[in-house]
Amino acid sequence: DVVMTQTPPSLSVAIGQSVSISCKSSQSLVYSDGKTYLHWLLQSPGRSPRRLIYQVSNLGSGVPDRFSGTGSQKDFTLKISRVEAEDLGVYYCAQTTHVPYTFGGGTKLELK
Amino acid sequence: QVQLKESGPGLVQPSQTLSLTCTVSGFSLTSYHVHWVRQPPGRGLEWMGVIWNDGNTGYNSPLKPRLSISRDTSKSQVFLTMNSLQTEDTGIYYCNRMSPLGFDYWGQGVMVTVSS
Repeated sequence: DVVMTQTPPSLSVAIGQSVSISCKSSQSLVYSDGKTYLHWLLQSPGRSPRRLIYQVSNLGSGVPDRFSGTGSQKDFTLKISRVEAEDLGVYYCAQTTHVPYTFGGGTKLELK
Repeated sequence: QVQLKESGPGLVQPSQTLSLTCTVSGFSLTSYHVHWVRQPPGRGLEWMGVIWNDGNTGYNSPLKPRLSISRDTSKSQVFLTMNSLQTEDTGIYYCNRMSPLGFDYWGQGVMVTVSS
């Protein structure tokens, strides 16, 4: 199974600050079609997860452009510019290149 | 609009069988894959399995001996059945829709507690 390692496990931030979250996979996430199925999700407190970014760098519908994703092969990063209160929660990376699909352990974003 | 909603018993006794239903609207089960993901209390997400748009299924290996996913396309429903439940199966169970654009829609989740 592909192991997804997220760091850091938690982040304490001030509103307006920028932060980055790392996600590393144990195998390349490039699929046979040439695409990379690495996604980022946010789970706000008490809510279901929701998609933020799909295929490394594409913003989901309605997601503000303060969010951006970069990376390739096995090394990926989510960046949040100018954190707002609504951004707090747990961020997960997820890969859907290899079955079984797997998630990172999560990064909890909290207010400083 | 696209919606998914999980339903099922909130409490299951140890060693018994869990049966959950995911009722979808706004899309066809023959066009999209539907996955089940669970989350133990205070912990992360675990992919359980999928029913692909063609009706085939895939399961996470540790759960495969106990897990079955099926569907009724006429009712727009996906079913999860898992037997021999233990306390470590306690958690929130989510169904979600997947496309090449990732897990784009999630249900609200259903809390399942395994306890006598």
